[in-house]
Amino acid sequence: DAGITQSPRHKVTETGTPVTLRCHQTENHRYMYWYRQDPGHGLRLIHYSYGVKDTDKGEVSDGYSVSRSKTEDFLLTLESATSSQTSVYFCAITGSGTYNEQFFGPGTRLTVL
Amino acid sequence: KQEVTQIPAALSVPEGENLVLNCSFTDSAIYNLQWFRQDPGKGLTSLLLIQSSQREQTSGRLNASLDKSSGRSTLYIAASQPGDSATYLCAVSGNYGQNFVFGPGTRLSVLP
Repeated sequence: DAGITQSPRHKVTETGTPVTLRCHQTENHRYMYWYRQDPGHGLRLIHYSYGVKDTDKGEVSDGYSVSRSKTEDFLLTLESATSSQTSVYFCAITGSGTYNEQFFGPGTRLTVL
Repeated sequence: KQEVTQIPAALSVPEGENLVLNCSFTDSAIYNLQWFRQDPGKGLTSLLLIQSSQREQTSGRLNASLDKSSGRSTLYIAASQPGDSATYLCAVSGNYGQNFVFGPGTRLSVLP
């Protein structure tokens, strides 16, 4: 357990509404990641952060933005949710001094109607 | 672009069998390789991490090997148990440990 929590754990929303998912870590890790997991596509990287206010795009970043104003929090925002963004979203960190071993949060199941 | 595949996609074995799961990657310039298990509706749990300079890692009944030059890793599970039933994923990283790419997973069922 790397002290990673995600909120909310479940969310149902309507097309066109903004949605923000939160990832919180308690162990001061530098790198944080957002993935989505979909049947037939596996896990795909959306965005990642390598420090406060330092972020970069992943493989499937279109339609998503992120922010990291504190080391412990990494926010994922869907500015205008679409049905194609229905998915399970996972946050992850890489542990310091552990050869970049990744640890995952419990996930957020998002349904966009 | 790195691509990761896993064979088989699904596997069903009787309890007590030893089994091997396979992971292949197209670009051998990796920083490390990590194996995870995922139970239905849950997050990923790290099982083993192999650095690019290592050949294998062991944890209990699990042994993971890495042949970087051929782009292959195997996860060996000894004396399988029903509690081992889960989906097993491998992931490789480049660029000094970032930019992880995941395989699609192998769904394992161990029958009592």
